[in-house]
This record gives sequence, structure tokens and C-alpha cells, in this order.
Amino acid sequence: SYVLTQPPSVSVAPGQTARITCEGDNIETKAVHWYQQKPGQAPVLVVYDDSDRPSGIPERFSGSNSGNTATLTISRVEAGDEADYYCQVWDSSTDHVVFGGGTNLTV
Amino acid sequence: QVQLQESGPGLVQPSQTLSLTCTVSGGSINSGGYFWSWIRQPAGRGLEWIGRIYPSGITNYNPSLKSRVTISIDTSKNQFSLKLTSVNAADTAVYYCARDGGFSYLDSWGQGSLVSVSS
Repeated sequence: SYVLTQPPSVSVAPGQTARITCEGDNIETKAVHWYQQKPGQAPVLVVYDDSDRPSGIPERFSGSNSGNTATLTISRVEAGDEADYYCQVWDSSTDHVVFGGGTNLTV
Repeated sequence: QVQLQESGPGLVQPSQTLSLTCTVSGGSINSGGYFWSWIRQPAGRGLEWIGRIYPSGITNYNPSLKSRVTISIDTSKNQFSLKLTSVNAADTAVYYCARDGGFSYLDSWGQGSLVSVSS
């Protein structure tokens, strides 16, 4: 089964840039999606198909995908960005969704 | 703007069957080429995808749960449902329903429903 690996935590100062990685075997061949989850709330899609943003998501959120690593980048980080972030792909070998373990972003 | 709402018992006894329903409002469950998914999250842990269904009845399931899971759909009621058999304490979690944009990204989520497995 396909495995996605994320760092458990990332810490960044307000106004700086946060980069959250998601590692998987040849992940660049897959479409990677990213979710933000704040305590007690349902996840929210913030980036899909590697680098597209749903309507309403600030331009500060961006994504990239190359080689074995996909990255969610949050520019000009704000206190309100503090949350858990999950990456996700579709595993076509077994036809199911795979989530990364999640990264807790501390601002 | 589509909205999803989970409903069902908050407490299930061990070895019994967990049953949840997701009601979709603000759009037809039968249009747009969407799949409809279930995801769960134990307290303090990460997300686990359970499975999804297309309005035609086509399903995909997490291999680790496939033997115990059935997802069904009722297009006349704009609902889809989850059944998980032979539950145990490890199945205690918040269960979410969500819309799958067709390329596996989940673009709309319900608020979640906490299900505890305990006698």
C-alpha cells in the first residue's frame, strides 16, 4: 500500500514562510491534495491537484510536487493558520484514498 | 453551496454494527459526477479514508476495512450511508462524510459525528 510521510510538527514565526512536506515514492506522478484542520472542526481543502486553490482560499497557500516530495507552502503565516495539515493522494494500485499522518503547524 | 450532515447513534456496542447516514442538501447527489465518501478520525489521531460511492452504485473501499464496510446510496432521499460490522473500541472515532470532486479530492465535508464503541 502507498505510504505518505509528513513531519509531525512544523513551527514558524508570524510573517514567515511555512513549508510542510509530504513524501511518497515517485509522488510527482500523483495528484496531491492538502487539507487544513483546526481543533474541533472538519478538514478544509486548501490545495488540490498539486497546486490549485479552491475559491476562498488565500493566495498565501500554494503547493508544489516534484520527485518524491510534495510541499505545501504558506507565505506570510498568520496566527489563524495554526492547525493540522494533511496531504492526500489516490492510490491507483488499490483504488483507494491515502492520507499522510498529518503535520501540526505552530505559529 | 452543497452541505453534508451526518446522523446516527453516538454509541454502539462491541461486536454490533455501526450505521451512519449522510444527508446532502444544496444540490442533487445524483448530478455533477461526484463520488460520496466516508472518512474517520480517532481522537488525537489522523484521518482514515473508509470508502466512497458513485450514484450508479460503484464503490471503492479501504482495503484494511473492506471486509466489514458497506456504503450504499439512496438518490431519492439525497442520502448515502455507512455500515461497519463487528465493531470494537478501535472503531471509536469522529466519522465524516464528504464529497469527492471526482479526482479524489474532498471539497465539501460534514461537521462530523462522534461514534463511541462501548458496552
